[in-house]
Amino acid sequence: EIVLTQSPATLSLSPGERATLSCRASQSVRGYLAWYQQKPGQAPRLLIYDASNRATGIPARFSGSGSGADFTLTISSLEPEDFAVYYCQQRSNWPLTFGGGTKVEIK
Amino acid sequence: EVQLVESGGDLVQPGGSLRLSCAASGFTFSSHEMNWVRQAPGKGLEWVSYISSSGSNIYYADSVKGRFTISRDNAENSLYLQMNSLRAEDTAVYYCARPVMVHAQEFDYWGQGTLVTVSS
Repeated sequence: EIVLTQSPATLSLSPGERATLSCRASQSVRGYLAWYQQKPGQAPRLLIYDASNRATGIPARFSGSGSGADFTLTISSLEPEDFAVYYCQQRSNWPLTFGGGTKVEIK
Repeated sequence: EVQLVESGGDLVQPGGSLRLSCAASGFTFSSHEMNWVRQAPGKGLEWVSYISSSGSNIYYADSVKGRFTISRDNAENSLYLQMNSLRAEDTAVYYCARPVMVHAQEFDYWGQGTLVTVSS
């Protein structure tokens, strides 16, 4: 099973700041990594698929990069609605696995 | 508009059974693979099971293998999860989720979730 480790666990930032979230895989997942945003009481929302492709309707301030075992989600300038928990997920191997999440909170 | 609506969640005793349903609309259900993903209270996301568009290919997480069965009825646009021998650690919100494209299990549509509580 591929283990995804997200860091940091919590990121405290102010609106307008840049957020950089990391996801590291225990082995290569090639480019098959997605990022989700989840707010309390809501289902996850797909932001990025296959490492760098923005999902439909996702603002350009969200970008994904990386390949192999190291991936990054960048939010270029945090909007108030971006404070949430973010998860990465790999689809390279079964079972599909998710990272433990990074909470982006208001500083 | 794509919609996924789960139902069937309930309070059940350890060792009991439950059947979850996911009603799909707004897309050609029979052409899409589907998955179940769960989230224990206050915890992260855990993939549970996958079924191909025809139902011929199925995968499970080790944590549910032998106890849960995924199925679908393409004529009824419905996905199911039969859950047997339930344990306290199965307590979670269960989501059905549709992949963003064929053979790409990254999920662009999710239901609202249905809560399963396993407790005596």
